[in-house]
Amino acid sequence: EVQLVQSGAEVKKPGESLRISCKGSGYSFTSYWITWVRQMPGKGLEWMGRIDPSDSDTNYSPSFQGHVTISVDKSINIAYLQWNSLKASDTAMYYCARRSSTSFWTFAYWGQGTLVTVSS
Amino acid sequence: QSALTQPPSASGPPGQSVTISCTGTSSDIGGYNYVSWYQQHPGKAPKHMIYEVSKRPSGVPDRFSGSKSGNTASLTVSGLQADDEADYYCSSYAGSNNWVFGGGTKLTVL
Repeated sequence: EVQLVQSGAEVKKPGESLRISCKGSGYSFTSYWITWVRQMPGKGLEWMGRIDPSDSDTNYSPSFQGHVTISVDKSINIAYLQWNSLKASDTAMYYCARRSSTSFWTFAYWGQGTLVTVSS
Repeated sequence: QSALTQPPSASGPPGQSVTISCTGTSSDIGGYNYVSWYQQHPGKAPKHMIYEVSKRPSGVPDRFSGSKSGNTASLTVSGLQADDEADYYCSSYAGSNNWVFGGGTKLTVL
């Protein structure tokens, strides 16, 4: 069974750094890109970027480029989303997702989400 | 890239049909047949309901259907049921390994 299990909720202060994780299991981790999606409180889904675990090639939405870093440790089947300096506006639920086995173009598997709260 | 445009809300009585639109540009919806639709219940992760414009993943009822014309995609939910009440998001491939989501539509079953 394909599973994406994300790290737990975080409470941070503005300016602090943070790394959240997404562990894939039940499939060949390096065969499927991992995508990160933000959902601010009461708002819609936003595509942040994606990483190819086989070679760490990444793409970022222009809205997130330079503010977050997506990385992966393929030896332990984990993808990461990292901030060096959090802002209050980073408060959101963050999901990782993986494409379908039959279609490159849809996100069939989702993590349970990681709630990040940034407050002084 | 800008978010795809969806109506904020839609509604219909049980048993009826409702259609939700999703408008983009020739750089996303109009340029590719890679539109997906996701259902999200409160407090839950999104669930994919339609992919590649009109294909249904296994387990998704055939009451859910998708279509596209030009730069606009649509999701139709027929035979509305109480459990269909949720937020629905469209998504499209936007080229160069980028994707874009719509702003979401809250579907209410009256």
